[in-house]
Amino acid sequence: AQSVTQLDSHVSVSEGTPVLLRCNYSSSYSPSLFWYVQHPNKGLQLLLKYTSAATLVKGINGFEAEFKKSETSFHLTKPSAHMSDAAEYFCVVTYYSGTYKYIFGTGTRLKVLA
Amino acid sequence: GAGVSQTPSNKVTEKGKYVELRCDPISGHTALYWYRQSLGQGPEFLIYFQGTGAADDSGLPNDRFFAVRPEGSVSTLKIQRTERGDSAVYLCASSLRGGTSEVEQFFGPGTRLTVL
Repeated sequence: AQSVTQLDSHVSVSEGTPVLLRCNYSSSYSPSLFWYVQHPNKGLQLLLKYTSAATLVKGINGFEAEFKKSETSFHLTKPSAHMSDAAEYFCVVTYYSGTYKYIFGTGTRLKVLA
Repeated sequence: GAGVSQTPSNKVTEKGKYVELRCDPISGHTALYWYRQSLGQGPEFLIYFQGTGAADDSGLPNDRFFAVRPEGSVSTLKIQRTERGDSAVYLCASSLRGGTSEVEQFFGPGTRLTVL
């Protein structure tokens, strides 16, 4: 069965320091993986996606993620946090069961301290 | 260009009432999805339309929930005999096409449903 686990429900970082949001997945085949961000009262926005091409994926706003099959991980990183990065982040894995579906993690709320 | 829009943004209703939630997808997007997001959880899949037909409704929790997309564009999620447990944010998403694991879904801001 496919599943996705976000290991931290809350992460706090100081502005200008690195961000690491962790995601592990379980899939019986080669999945596609996504990271979405959700700002308050805004729709979910795609940050980046992995679809079996390069394992290091670069996204918008300086975020990147590395697909590591041996570790079944797809952690999201950013070298230097900005106040505007404060939001909820969701890791998503796709799976096929008649049709392709998204499975969302439970989310990580990122807080950026001045 | 316009993104996915959802109306109303907030809906408060009483237990047992009927509600309709509307989604306007991005123009030209053939695939449309409904999700439900409960407090502190990630969105959960409800139903997927390809064109006018429901290609997958396996996520609908029970027969009180129904969705339509009669002209292949706007969709309405209908909930009969609402229960307090139906309280959640209902999200709509659309994509250029369905049937693939790689396509990006574009999400609306959601409708917050509160059942008293």
